[in-house]
Amino acid sequence: SQQGEEDPQALSIQEGENATMNCSYKTSINNLQWYRQNSGRGLVHLILIRSNEREKHSGRLRVTLDTSKKSSSLLITASRAADTASYFCATDAGGGGKLIFGQGTELSVKP
Amino acid sequence: GAVVSQHPSRVICKSGTSVKIECRSLDFQATTMFWYRQFPKQSLMLMATSNEGSKATYEQGVEKDKFLINHASLTLSTLTVTSAHPEDSSFYICSASGLAGGLTYEQYFGPGTRLTVT
Repeated sequence: SQQGEEDPQALSIQEGENATMNCSYKTSINNLQWYRQNSGRGLVHLILIRSNEREKHSGRLRVTLDTSKKSSSLLITASRAADTASYFCATDAGGGGKLIFGQGTELSVKP
Repeated sequence: GAVVSQHPSRVICKSGTSVKIECRSLDFQATTMFWYRQFPKQSLMLMATSNEGSKATYEQGVEKDKFLINHASLTLSTLTVTSAHPEDSSFYICSASGLAGGLTYEQYFGPGTRLTVT
């Protein structure tokens, strides 16, 4: 079952602007991950944040996690047209290594 | 890094026929493989979890007799869609976890297989 919700469902910005996507989940987790998916392609792992971490950075990506609110955000700074893709959060709430994916945010970065 | 391949990348079949999709971990041993289905503009839905040498565990609502999963070796899992119908048309993605990443909670995803049933 899908437990994650993401907003916005779609986001359109200009190149150079920042993009923020949010993810909420319903049950306790050990970690939360963000993935990117280009149209019709597989998933690319972006970043993993553990439940005892509040913020994590990787290049132009910044992820926050608020376990009290059961939410996470992904910030992409100085966006590029190549960042155009769908972004999904996934939690390990399924147990046994299973990932539960959010609904995704479709990001469009216009040059 | 850990690489997972899927074959075929795209397949078109007629209604009533069966289609087999392969998922291979190329440079590591995958003790567990997962199969997902993704409809257009939607998220990934987990179909089943496959452990090497044992029967797959299916998610609620997924017909195990329709979606046959075989994980015969540590590098290969197959998904067979039996008696396919147009509503089975979807993007099927596998993922594998094992010794490569050293992390039990990181999965490596295949590039997906686009199935179209006519």
